Amino acid sequence: DTAVSQTPKYLVTQMGNDKSIKCEQNLGHDTMYWYKQDSKKFLKIMFSYNNKELIINETVPNRFSPKSPDKAHLNLHINSLELGDSAVYFCASSQLTGGGSYEQYFGPGTRLTVT
Amino acid sequence: GQSLEQPSEVTAVEGAIVQINCTYQTSGFYGLSWYQQHDGGAPTFLSYNALDGLEETGRFSSFLSRSDSYGYLLLQELQMKDSASYFCAVRGSNYQLIWGAGTKLIIKP
Repeated sequence: DTAVSQTPKYLVTQMGNDKSIKCEQNLGHDTMYWYKQDSKKFLKIMFSYNNKELIINETVPNRFSPKSPDKAHLNLHINSLELGDSAVYFCASSQLTGGGSYEQYFGPGTRLTVT
Repeated sequence: GQSLEQPSEVTAVEGAIVQINCTYQTSGFYGLSWYQQHDGGAPTFLSYNALDGLEETGRFSSFLSRSDSYGYLLLQELQMKDSASYFCAVRGSNYQLIWGAGTKLIIKP
């Protein structure tokens, strides 16, 4: 009964390849996020979807494209992978309506290594 | 611009008390959150302060002063398992959390 799940957990690929990371949440939340965490541990927001609508689109290369088929799923596709894309990518979800702490629940992360 | 400042590293002794400070400068403020992340793990939520004052949850407490744009996380009776990175994050005027760079807490026996 995992709350936020991501696949794959590890991804090793060569420069120039295209890859996708999938994320699913079963918490009934209305908002999902993609974060990138580099080796210095800084958490950088990339995208956020609220009820399948893109609400946060930070400055990331166009090679990164999110897709939300429904509000329980948010996938990340990366084209033409580069060495600098190596990082841990976290998916998260939260409930933005109804007040409260807007606590974000994170998936286990996908460690991407580009060689 | 928007920013959060927290120390990069704090060292403490097992059984002691440690305080991790966070100052913020954001456009809009809805609350200050704290997250814990162990090496190789995902961030997990610890606490949230929307109003001034101290919130206590077991050995962990979090404090907020909105007039000073300042908050802290207080960890008591430190245990080795508390060794982790701690992030403060502010919910600003849009939907995203603005994150600090994280504080690595090192606990010595």
